[in-house]
Amino acid sequence: AQSVAQPEDQVNVAEGNPLTVKCTYSVSGNPYLFWYVQYPNRGLQFLLKYITGDNLVKGSYGFEAEFNKSQTSFHLKKPSALVSDSALYFCAVGDSNYQLIWGAGTKLIIKP
Amino acid sequence: DAGVIQSPRHEVTEMGQEVTLRCKPISGHNSLFWYRQTMMRGLELLIYFNNNVPIDDSGMPEDRFSAKMPNASFSTLKIQPSEPRDSAVYFCASSLGSSLEQYFGPGTRLTVT
Repeated sequence: AQSVAQPEDQVNVAEGNPLTVKCTYSVSGNPYLFWYVQYPNRGLQFLLKYITGDNLVKGSYGFEAEFNKSQTSFHLKKPSALVSDSALYFCAVGDSNYQLIWGAGTKLIIKP
Repeated sequence: DAGVIQSPRHEVTEMGQEVTLRCKPISGHNSLFWYRQTMMRGLELLIYFNNNVPIDDSGMPEDRFSAKMPNASFSTLKIQPSEPRDSAVYFCASSLGSSLEQYFGPGTRLTVT
């Protein structure tokens, strides 16, 4: 069965520094991987996805994610963090029933 | 497009009362999902419809919860009777076919006292 793990409950980064939010997955077959962001009191918003092709996927708000098949990882990255990036980030993997299996979420805090 | 629309945005009710949450998916989307989010349990899938038919309701907590999708543009999630432990934010999301990419509504914050 498909599963997703986000090993960090919280990530703290200073503004201007690069950030990484980790995600690992377990799937049978080719993975369909997603990142979503949730700002306070809002619904989840789609950031980016990997279906096939280039291992480096670019998304909204300057975020990108790197698909690594050998390490079964799909880490979210940004070269220079902004205070406004502070939010809850979810990794998800698609399953054969067209549902998304969600990670537990990682709270990203960017300090000025 | 207006996106996924949910109503009400906030609901406060007393234990034992019936609560109905409403969702209008994005026009043309054929899959609809109801989620519940709490601090303790995170994001939980309650039920998933495809072409108005419930496909997976294994996440529905108990018989007090029911969901319907009478047509492609409307769905309801009903809790009867409500209990304090039902307090949560309830999200509706929709997607198109096999794209898997889900679009979320703003959520309904339910408080049961």
